[in-house]
Amino acid sequence: AQKITQTQPGMFVQEKEAVTLDCTYDTSDPSYGLFWYKQPSSGEMIFLIYQGSYDQQNATEGRYSLNFQKARKSANLVISASQLGDSAMYFCAMRPLTGNQFYFGTGTSLTVIP
Amino acid sequence: GAGVSQTPSNKVTEKGKYVELRCDPISGHTALYWYRQSLGQGPEFLIYFQGTGAADDSGLPNDRFFAVRPEGSVSTLKIQRTERGDSAMYLCASSTDGLRSEAFFGQGTRLTVV
Repeated sequence: AQKITQTQPGMFVQEKEAVTLDCTYDTSDPSYGLFWYKQPSSGEMIFLIYQGSYDQQNATEGRYSLNFQKARKSANLVISASQLGDSAMYFCAMRPLTGNQFYFGTGTSLTVIP
Repeated sequence: GAGVSQTPSNKVTEKGKYVELRCDPISGHTALYWYRQSLGQGPEFLIYFQGTGAADDSGLPNDRFFAVRPEGSVSTLKIQRTERGDSAMYLCASSTDGLRSEAFFGQGTRLTVV
């Protein structure tokens, strides 16, 4: 069975500080992709960053980086230098090679405090 | 258009009525997904199309829900005998094949059953 777990329903961070959003996953597939999406109050789902299960290095995209620990099956998102516009829901998702669909976690609501 | 288009953006219907929700994916994307999202929750998988066929419809909650993609492009999600519990945001996403390919989401259809 495929499962994504996000244990932090809500997080607060001071503007300009870094914050880590947790994500663990469960799959028996040896090959899979991990994705993070941002969903502001407007409702659109915005792709942030991708990590492949066989990637040797942690992914980075601007202020976003992924702390990928394969043995622990965790793929935590790190947002550096938080901005007020980062306030949103954040979803972790996994796409296993088998099945090809995306499995989402329940999300973390991030609030950036000025 | 450049992105995934969903129509209508909002739909209010009476309990017991039939509704159709339309999704126009990004041109060339073979994979198409329907998700349902309740307030404060993550996207819940409904059905996945690869081309014209439903590769995985295991997420459809019951036989009142049905989806088609007859020509491998536009998809329609059909809900019969709507119930108040069907009220949610219905998200459509499309993707190319391959683990690294993210899902591109539409803006969603907000369905309200009164």
